Amino acid sequence: QQQVKQSPQSLIVQKGGISIINCAYENTAFDYFPWYQQFPGKGPALLIAIRPDVSEKKEGRFTISFNKSAKQFSLHIMDSQPGDSATYFCAASPARGSGTYKYIFGTGTRLKVLA
Amino acid sequence: GAVVSQHPSWVICKSGTSVKIECRSLDFQATTMFWYRQFPKQSLMLMATSNEGSKATYEQGVEKDKFLINHASLTLSTLTVTSAHPEDSSFYICSAPPRGKKTQYFGPGTRLLVL
Repeated sequence: QQQVKQSPQSLIVQKGGISIINCAYENTAFDYFPWYQQFPGKGPALLIAIRPDVSEKKEGRFTISFNKSAKQFSLHIMDSQPGDSATYFCAASPARGSGTYKYIFGTGTRLKVLA
Repeated sequence: GAVVSQHPSWVICKSGTSVKIECRSLDFQATTMFWYRQFPKQSLMLMATSNEGSKATYEQGVEKDKFLINHASLTLSTLTVTSAHPEDSSFYICSAPPRGKKTQYFGPGTRLLVL
């Protein structure tokens, strides 16, 4: 119940294309869903995050789509660029009342954008 | 804003020695910090939650006597790997959410190599 399933494991996209990464969860107590980008040898950097009271959030070329009933959320990278080549992690965090702000991370998606 | 630093970024040590890694929130206060371990091409594995002014909470399977955590102030947490062995070689990353917030900001990571 605490798992976050992420797919695909790896993704190759042409420059200018759309990259789509999906995550699914089971625990309905999750109320915060961030996405992180990680380059080799670096710490993860926050890209964008969403709460379940909205269905979509957009920041620049990055969009999160959230489907509360299906318990799924996805990251869309529009106009993908070679500089977007990195590993992307989704995460989920339980509601404040649980007493912890721990994240449950997905397994990661290695994105490669071809020039 | 929301910058987290780690020191050192790289450390090589001999088997049997202890290594201390510092995690600092530079522009915000954090009552909680998290320590993760990451193996190559894998997701982040939460090791422990560091709590300012109280004992750390360790995840199942993490030896608390092996990985000592001290949250000395609202901006500093340290992880000490005691009696390090080659199997402790890994990438260690800390994160911190600003007090009262859920978003975790990650440090750049510390690469530990035990010879």
